[in-house]
This record gives sequence, C-alpha cells and structure tokens, in this order.
Amino acid sequence: RKEVEQDPGPFNVPEGATVAFNCTYSNSASQSFFWYRQDCRKEPKLLMSVYSSGNEDGRFTAQLNRASQYISLLIRDSKLSDSATYLCAVNDQGSYIPTFGRGTSLIVHP
Amino acid sequence: EAQVTQNPRYLITVTGKKLTVTCSQNMNHEYMSWYRQDPGLGLRQIYYSMNVEVTDKGDVPEGYKVSRKEKRNFPLILESPSPNQTSLYFCASRAQGLGNTIYFGEGSWLTVV
Repeated sequence: RKEVEQDPGPFNVPEGATVAFNCTYSNSASQSFFWYRQDCRKEPKLLMSVYSSGNEDGRFTAQLNRASQYISLLIRDSKLSDSATYLCAVNDQGSYIPTFGRGTSLIVHP
Repeated sequence: EAQVTQNPRYLITVTGKKLTVTCSQNMNHEYMSWYRQDPGLGLRQIYYSMNVEVTDKGDVPEGYKVSRKEKRNFPLILESPSPNQTSLYFCASRAQGLGNTIYFGEGSWLTVV
C-alpha cells in the first residue's frame, strides 16, 4: 500500500521563526510532488510543486530528497497568516491519482 | 475563472434519504475525484474517474456511487446515507499530464442524523 506520512503536529512557533516540515513517501517510483495549504474548513490549495532541484517561492522553500524518499517545506520569517494545515501530495509514475498525507498543522503565535 | 463547483455546500439529512452532491468543473479536465475528510484521517479518496464513462473505486467507496456521463460533471450519490457518512466532502479535478496539479471544490459539509 502506498504511504505518505506526515507529522500531524501541531507545530507552534512564534512570528518570525523558521519552521520545516517533512513528508516521507514509500514508493520509490513516485514522480511528482506537491505541497498544499488548507485553512480550517476550507479546500486545499496548491502552495507549490516540488522539483528535483528544489525550488523557492518567497519565504517558502521546497526540497526533494529521492535517496531518503522525503520532501520538505521550509517557511522562513513565519507570519500569523501562515497558520494552516500543510498537506503533501505524491503522484506515482504514470498515475493521475495522488496520495495525500494527513497534513501537518502549523500555528504561528504573536 | 477556473473552477470546481460543488452543491450543496451544507446539508443536514436523515438516515436513508437518498442524496446527490453535484460537482462540475469548467477546465475540461479528464480526471475527477471525490474525497472525504475526517478529523485525524486526512483526505481519503472515495471514487475517481479518468474520463467520461470511466470510474473506479478509491480507498473508501462503500456506501457511495458516482457517474461520469459528461466530462464536466461527476456527481456523488449516497443511496442510503448513514451517520458514519457525516463528513466534509471535496470534489477535485486535474488535467492529464505528469505534474499537473489538482483543483478542489470548496467542499460540502454533510450531516446525516
């Protein structure tokens, strides 16, 4: 069975902190990787795709470690508005069916 | 605007009363899917469809039906709802092609009493 695992948290950090989440996946044939953000009682929305070379979007950096089979999300200079649940999603080769992790909860406090 | 639209957004119903949650997307996506989300269990896939007239079971299909007669629509049918189907439901779609992202509807809160 395909597995995508995340620490549920919550990660409780002060404003301005740097926080990192990992997401491990069990299928070494997995091909594409994503991070989604989900606010309470709302739909998940794409935060960023994760590329093999790593990618950055403002305060957010995503990385892929194929050897250890995990992806990571780093948030620098945390804002109160970053409080949310972060879901990772993994697509296997040739599959249109992503597997989602259960999400990691982030709480940024003043 | 690219959208996945679900209806109803909120519904309270009684055990055994058949209901349908509609889902429509305007992006001409081939792939559509239904998920339910429960506390501590994350997103669990109910059914998915790779294209018109092609549907398949996800991880938790029991008690649900779907149909894909048109590319844009993918309704979720609960023939005889039970309280354990009380949940938050999301419809989603994506285009073919590796790396294409999923778009979610706003969610449907369903309570079965």
